[in-house]
Amino acid sequence: AQRVTQPEKLLSVFKGAPVELKCNYSYSGSPELFWYVQYSRQRLQLLLRHISRESIKGFTADLNKGETSFHLKKPFAQEEDSAMYYCALREYGNKLVFGAGTILRVKS
Amino acid sequence: NAGVTQTPKFRILKIGQSMTLQCTQDMNHNYMYWYRQDPGMGLKLIYYSVGAGITDKGEVPNGYNVSRSTTEDFPLRLELAAPSQTSVYFCASSYPVVGGESTDTQYFGPGTRLTVL
Repeated sequence: AQRVTQPEKLLSVFKGAPVELKCNYSYSGSPELFWYVQYSRQRLQLLLRHISRESIKGFTADLNKGETSFHLKKPFAQEEDSAMYYCALREYGNKLVFGAGTILRVKS
Repeated sequence: NAGVTQTPKFRILKIGQSMTLQCTQDMNHNYMYWYRQDPGMGLKLIYYSVGAGITDKGEVPNGYNVSRSTTEDFPLRLELAAPSQTSVYFCASSYPVVGGESTDTQYFGPGTRLTVL
């Protein structure tokens, strides 16, 4: 079965420090991976997806098939990055399998 | 566009009661989904639909039912509420994948917080 693992429930960093939110997956085919974010009192929304190879709000994520990882990174954390982050894997039929989520807390 | 709307925002049910969580989208999306979000567990897919008249079970369908009579609406029914169904419920919608490149961004509603006592 497809599985997405986010090992950290909470990640607390100081403003300006680098951030890395970990995501590992297991999937038998060619994976499509996403990061979704939920800011306080806002809806869950797409942050980025690996096929786009984009940088959104300073965040990037590289798919590493050898390590089956899709870690989310940002070189300098900002207070407004504080949120819940979910890694997700697309299954057949456009279904998403979500990880348990990581709360990012950026301290001033 | 309002996007995905859900009603109610909050609800408290007694064990054994029934209710329907409403979900509507105005983006003409084919795909719609219901998830539940439990602390430390992430989002689990309850049911999904690929179009009007077509529904299928997700990972945790027991205790729930859905219908999809129109493209816009995808209600979730709880027939006999149980404490284990206390959760936050999210509805989402998306376009199908086109041409082999994933365009499958899921758009989420604001959620319904349900407590069963």
